[in-house]
Amino acid sequence: NFMLTQPHSVSESPGKTVTISCTRSSGPILSYYVQWYQQRPGSAPTSVIYADNRRPSGVPDRFSGSIDSPSNSASLTISGLKTEDEADYYCQSYDSNNHWVFGGGTKLTVL
Amino acid sequence: EVQLVESGGGLVKPGASLRLSCAASGFPFSSYTMKWVRQAPGKGLEWVASIESSSTYIFYADSVKGRFTISRDNAKNSVYLQMNSLRAEDTAVYYCVRVDNPIFDHWGQGTLVTVSS
Repeated sequence: NFMLTQPHSVSESPGKTVTISCTRSSGPILSYYVQWYQQRPGSAPTSVIYADNRRPSGVPDRFSGSIDSPSNSASLTISGLKTEDEADYYCQSYDSNNHWVFGGGTKLTVL
Repeated sequence: EVQLVESGGGLVKPGASLRLSCAASGFPFSSYTMKWVRQAPGKGLEWVASIESSSTYIFYADSVKGRFTISRDNAKNSVYLQMNSLRAEDTAVYYCVRVDNPIFDHWGQGTLVTVSS
């Protein structure tokens, strides 16, 4: 099985841009879609990016996803940060055995 | 409106069994893959099990394989998780999730399972 590694926490000021990385330990990142989920305290997760870089309806275009093949990693970028973006963010992907893996989560603080 | 409502959580002793249920509504249940995802207190998300729309394909995380069984009843719009030989490390909020591959697009509010003596 593979692992997805995220930074434990990031922080940035309102109006700025932040990027959260997600590195896949084995298997090419390009071969399996990456998703990103936002989880606010006390709530279930919600999707903010799917299939590497697509946004579900209702998610603002301040949220974007990308893939970097050389580093075997994915990134979630949030621009124009708002205090409401403060949450935990999880990347997720899968493998050829239909095993699904979440990253350990990144706590975003908007201060 | 899509709704997923979990039930069946509670406090059990190590080695005991528990059956979680998830009642789905607001969408054609028999057309969707369903999954269970759990989250230990203060920890991250962990995929537990998946069941494809017709129950033909079923997959488990290594941490629960052989102890947990996922099933569904399309006539009742429900998915289940039978959990046997429960351990302290199974303590978590268990979420029922609808999947529109590859996106986990709808989550229930979760049911808490606590395994403690």
